[in-house]
Amino acid sequence: AQKITQTQPGMFVQEKEAVTLDCTYDTSDPSYGLFWYKQPSSGEMIFLIYQGSYDQQNATEGRYSLNFQKARKSANLVISASQLGDSAMYFCAMREEQGAQKLVFGQGTRLTINP
Amino acid sequence: NAGVTQTPKFQVLKTGQSMTLQCAQDMNHEYMSWYRQDPGMGLRLIHYSVGAGITDQGEVPNGYNVSRSTTEDFPLRLLSAAPSQTSVYFCASSYSGQGAQNTEAFFGQGTRLTVV
Repeated sequence: AQKITQTQPGMFVQEKEAVTLDCTYDTSDPSYGLFWYKQPSSGEMIFLIYQGSYDQQNATEGRYSLNFQKARKSANLVISASQLGDSAMYFCAMREEQGAQKLVFGQGTRLTINP
Repeated sequence: NAGVTQTPKFQVLKTGQSMTLQCAQDMNHEYMSWYRQDPGMGLRLIHYSVGAGITDQGEVPNGYNVSRSTTEDFPLRLLSAAPSQTSVYFCASSYSGQGAQNTEAFFGQGTRLTVV
C-alpha cells in the first residue's frame, strides 16, 4: 500500500536561508506522481510542485525544487531564499497509477520563517 | 474560474444531528474525493469517486455517506454527528484518465466542522 512519511513536525528557519523539507514514500507501483502542497494559515491547499516517477530530472518551479532520489524513495522539497510568506504547513503526497489513483498525504511539516 | 466549490465554510452541529457538506467542480473531472484534516495527521481520505454512479471507501469512511449522481457534484453526508467528527473537511477533484498519476488535485476552500 502507498505510504508517505514526513518526519519533521516543525521547522524554524531564518529569512533568506534555504530550507529542505523531508518526504519519504513507499509504493510497489513503478508509475506514480509525487506532489507538494502548501497550506497557509488561511487554510487553502495550494499546489506547489510535482515529480513523476519516470522523470529523469528534478522538478523546479521558481524558488521550489524537488530533490528526487528514487532509489532511496525520497522526494524532499527545497525552498531557496525563504521568505516570511513561506511560513505554512507543507504536505507531501503521492498518487499511484494503480489503486484507483488515490492521492495519499503525509502528516505535514509546519515551517516557520523567522525575520 | 470557480474550480472546486465547497459549502458551508463553517458549521456547528449538535451530537446526533445530520448534515450534508456540498462539493461541486466545473472542470469536468471524473475523480472526486473527500478528506478530513486533523492536527498531526495530515489529510485522510474518507470517500472517493472515479465517476458518476461509482463511489468507494477511503481510509476513514465510518460515519459518512457519499453519492455521485452527476460528474459535477459529490456531497458528503454525516449521518449522526459525533464529537470525533470535529475536523476540517476538504473536497478535491482531479483528472482520472491515462497518466492521471501525474496530475495534481484541486481543492475546495475547506469546511470547518465542530460537533458539540
